[in-house]
Amino acid sequence: AQKITQTQPGMFVQEKEAVTLDCTYDTSDPSYGLFWYKQPSSGEMIFLIYQGSYDQQNATEGRYSLNFQKARKSANLVISASQLGDSAMYFCAIGRAGTALIFGKGTTLSVSS
Amino acid sequence: ETGVTQTPRHLVMGMTNKKSLKCEQHLGHNAMYWYKQSAKKPLELMFVYNFKEQTENNSVPSRFSPECPNSSHLFLHLHTLQPEDSALYLCASSHAGGNTEAFFGQGTRLTVV
Repeated sequence: AQKITQTQPGMFVQEKEAVTLDCTYDTSDPSYGLFWYKQPSSGEMIFLIYQGSYDQQNATEGRYSLNFQKARKSANLVISASQLGDSAMYFCAIGRAGTALIFGKGTTLSVSS
Repeated sequence: ETGVTQTPRHLVMGMTNKKSLKCEQHLGHNAMYWYKQSAKKPLELMFVYNFKEQTENNSVPSRFSPECPNSSHLFLHLHTLQPEDSALYLCASSHAGGNTEAFFGQGTRLTVV
């Protein structure tokens, strides 16, 4: 079975600072993907970034980067230069071929000016 | 219209009512999913459809009945619900085969009274 653990219920950061959201996972599958989603108060889940288990380099998408440490089974999301619009709930998820994504409990990020 | 669209956005129903949630995607995906998001809980996968066939049912009570008439449409039929079924119901779609990002609708906020 696959499992995602997000240990930070809430994080607070000042505008323009960087923030790291933690995610650890457990799986016995040799091939899997790790995903991060953002959920604003409107409820929609917005896909941010993806990392494949065989990818050698950490994924980056604009201000988002994924710090993938396979041996530690961690896939932390780094948001650089935080903006007020980044305030939202952030979910880490794991997926493998043939089934749906499994999500963690999420971390609430609050960005202040 | 592109993306994943869910209707209605909000629904209040009595415990004896019958209602249906609708999800439509125009992304050319052939896998669709229903997730339930209760307060302070991670997203719970309910059902998975691949190429219109149900491939996963995560021990969901029979008062929730999914229907997938084609690869673009997914329904969730509701009857004799309980107050604890009040939650945000999210529909998602992706390319079949897994390990690929899923795109979500904005959800239906369901309140059972």
